[in-house]
Amino acid sequence: DAGITQSPRHKVTETGTPVTLRCHQTENHRYMYWYRQDPGHGLRLIHYSYGVKDTDKGEVSDGYSVSRSKTEDFLLTLESATSSQTSVYFCAISDFNYGYTFGSGTRLTVV
Amino acid sequence: DAKTTQPPSMDCAEGRAANLPCNHSTISGNEYVYWYRQIHSQGPQYIIHGLKNNETNEMASLIITEDRKSSTLILPHATLRDTAVYYCIVMPNAGGTSYGKLTFGQGTILTVHP
Repeated sequence: DAGITQSPRHKVTETGTPVTLRCHQTENHRYMYWYRQDPGHGLRLIHYSYGVKDTDKGEVSDGYSVSRSKTEDFLLTLESATSSQTSVYFCAISDFNYGYTFGSGTRLTVV
Repeated sequence: DAKTTQPPSMDCAEGRAANLPCNHSTISGNEYVYWYRQIHSQGPQYIIHGLKNNETNEMASLIITEDRKSSTLILPHATLRDTAVYYCIVMPNAGGTSYGKLTFGQGTILTVHP
């Protein structure tokens, strides 16, 4: 969607390797979020950020870390990828007037 | 924690109105009702939101009951491209400067038939 981009769009990695997903926004929104989506589970919040260097855990944060050194970038890191982290990852930003805007997603496969 | 209840699936004929219900009986006074949809493999898309008054935009209308315990999303003339999963979500707004974490349920799979 306009104003928010995720990279990469697709990634295949091996178990045990570190992986970093990037979310970039051009809207200057304070709040940013990382979700994962799996069949039968809907969207689940991993981590969110409410400002530069201010982050907090969501409901499925184990195995993930995040960083936000600039307003426009929110990074999600899998320190040591596992097969259970195979998923589609969505980044989002929020604004009161228009709710949440989601990125196009990153499809991650851990083999 | 499930704050909303939606039917798992609904069907609608192309060109007809699609009315998607949502129950949110435990909604708090400062919580808004948001609707999103997700077309296969894409990120969720914002549709509309409201507090207590009915709302309309270019995509849909939102009807909220007077007691705010339920709402209905109306797509006035459904097309095949409206086939998607529709999510009803309640979210607090604290003075417009901080935002609640969005909790998605399972949503309603709307299938629009030719």
